[in-house]
Order: sequence, then structure tokens, then C-alpha cells
Amino acid sequence: DVKVTQSSRYLVKRTGEKVFLECVQDMDHENMFWYRQDPGLGLRLIYFSYDVKMKEKGDIPEGYSVSREKKERFSLILESASTNQTSMYLCASSPPRGTQYFGPGTRLLVL
Amino acid sequence: SQQGEEDPQALSIQEGENATMNCSYKTSINNLQWYRQNSGRGLVHLILIRSNEREKHSGRLRVTLDTSKKSSSLLITASRAADTASYFCATDETGNQFYFGTGTSLTVIP
Repeated sequence: DVKVTQSSRYLVKRTGEKVFLECVQDMDHENMFWYRQDPGLGLRLIYFSYDVKMKEKGDIPEGYSVSREKKERFSLILESASTNQTSMYLCASSPPRGTQYFGPGTRLLVL
Repeated sequence: SQQGEEDPQALSIQEGENATMNCSYKTSINNLQWYRQNSGRGLVHLILIRSNEREKHSGRLRVTLDTSKKSSSLLITASRAADTASYFCATDETGNQFYFGTGTSLTVIP
């Protein structure tokens, strides 16, 4: 079975802190994605990566950056957390043009 | 960017009844997928239907796709309490990137 793990289930940070969210997949998938999910807004794509060191902006990249140094690992970075980044963050991986497999999510609260 | 739109936003049925939820989208697609999300968890893939397919089955799930109307439906037959979840459709434009709707929240009452 495909496994996608995220570094934390719950995280509480203060405004202005730098936040790292890590995602690891074990299926050698080329593609990896970061979404945020907010009530009434569904899932919105922040960034995705189709190869090591490659990244593409999604619909809402502002305030976020990403890093993909190894194929299995995709990190989401909040350079200076703000309260409007309080959300559920979901990571996913997939083969090219294939089904996305999601991690359990990280619920981030920024105070 | 396009996005699937699910309808209804919320649905409440008795155990054993069938549940139907719909998805509409805006532009041409290669694939459409349906996912389920239990409360506070990640999404789980249910079924993928390609643009040249009209209907697909998987266990108690039946998905239809009408590309002329740019719509899809997900039917869950003989629903169970464990089917209580949110259901999302996801459509692709480029093939690597999928766009999710806001979901249908299904409650199955025992």
C-alpha cells in the first residue's frame, strides 16, 4: 500500500515564526502536492513538484515556499506564519497523470 | 483554473438508502476522480473515470460521466453508517494537476 506521512498531525505556532511541514512518500512517485483545506473553500493547491528540485506554483502560493531535495520528501515552508495561514494542510503524491494518495493532514493553528 | 462543483453541499439519508451526489466542471478534462474524506483525515481515492468512459462501477459505487454536460455523478447504493464522510470530485486540465470541488457532506443515519 502507498503510504504518505506528514510530520505532525497538530501544530501550534506563533505569528512570525518559521514553520516547516514535511511530507514523505514511499512509492517512488514523481509528483507531490501541498494543499490547504478550509471550510467552504475545498482543497486549494499551494505548490506541486513533478521532479526533484522542480516546483510549480498552484493557486495560492503567496506566503509559502517548498523544497524537494529528495524524491520521497516534499517540504512546505511558511517563512513568517500569519493567523490567516491557520488551516488544514494536506500532502499528496501521485505517478504522472495518476491517482493522488493523501497523507493524514496537519492541522496548523497560528496564534 | 477550473474547479469541480459538487451538489448538494450536504445530504442526509437513512441507512440502506442510496446516495447520489453530482459534480459539474467547466472545461475539457482527461480524467475525473472521486475521493472520500472522513472527518479530520486525509482524502482517500475512490474511483477514476476517463473522459472516454461513460460509467464505472466499484463495489457499491457507481460513477457516470457526461462530457457533453460537463458533469459526473457518484451513486452509493445500500448506504451504511460508515459511508458518512465528505465526498469530493477532482478534475484535471494538464494531467498532473487536479482541481477539487468544495465537497458534499454525506450523513448516513443508522
